[in-house]
Amino acid sequence: GAGVSQSPSNKVTEKGKDVELRCDPISGHTALYWYRQSLGQGLEFLIYFQGNSAPDKSGLPSDRFSAERTGGSVSTLTIQRTQQEDSAVYLCASSLDLAGAYNEQFFGPGTRLTVL
Amino acid sequence: AQSVSQHNHHVILSEAASLELGCNYSYGGTVNLFWYVQYPGQHLQLLLKYFSGDPLVKGIKGFEAEFIKSKFSFNLRKPSVQWSDTAEYFCAVNPRGAAGNKLTFGGGTRVLVKP
Repeated sequence: GAGVSQSPSNKVTEKGKDVELRCDPISGHTALYWYRQSLGQGLEFLIYFQGNSAPDKSGLPSDRFSAERTGGSVSTLTIQRTQQEDSAVYLCASSLDLAGAYNEQFFGPGTRLTVL
Repeated sequence: AQSVSQHNHHVILSEAASLELGCNYSYGGTVNLFWYVQYPGQHLQLLLKYFSGDPLVKGIKGFEAEFIKSKFSFNLRKPSVQWSDTAEYFCAVNPRGAAGNKLTFGGGTRVLVKP
């Protein structure tokens, strides 16, 4: 079946512009995660959506970052007023959300963001 | 907050050599432990995981890892590597019982296997 998909695969933007990154999770996965992979910082957790619960935003680096998940499926990560330090690969992952179990996260291919 | 350290940033070795990648974590409670692999041009994928029980776990492609609780370590091993093992390897943890399964990753180790 289809895996996690992300778009665009590459995004080049100018400093100060806003960008939107999209994630389509695996059908039926109710949990969705955003991570960032950057030089010098490794892979960092950003935000987590679980069903209809309030998202865990504890990893968002600043208030310029926000994310939505509409209809419990597609998610959009928005970065406002981009800065050069936002340049990174943004990874999305999805999983089942079975209580009392670890639910393997399946990762998408990522969006490579370059801020000039 | 938990943290994960991978001591080797780059490893170069020849085919048939043995591989061991170090991973140490810092966390006061019980954790689930993982190794992920990212082959060139491919998605991040799960290699193996440890939740409880036998501290020696076996994963895909001949990899194994040993959890040593007293050392807060979860080192990855493979007795004989192949050229196709060239990839970046990430150790990760998440606190057991925590709401959500968000992962804390180490910095990654790039492994190059020379044919």
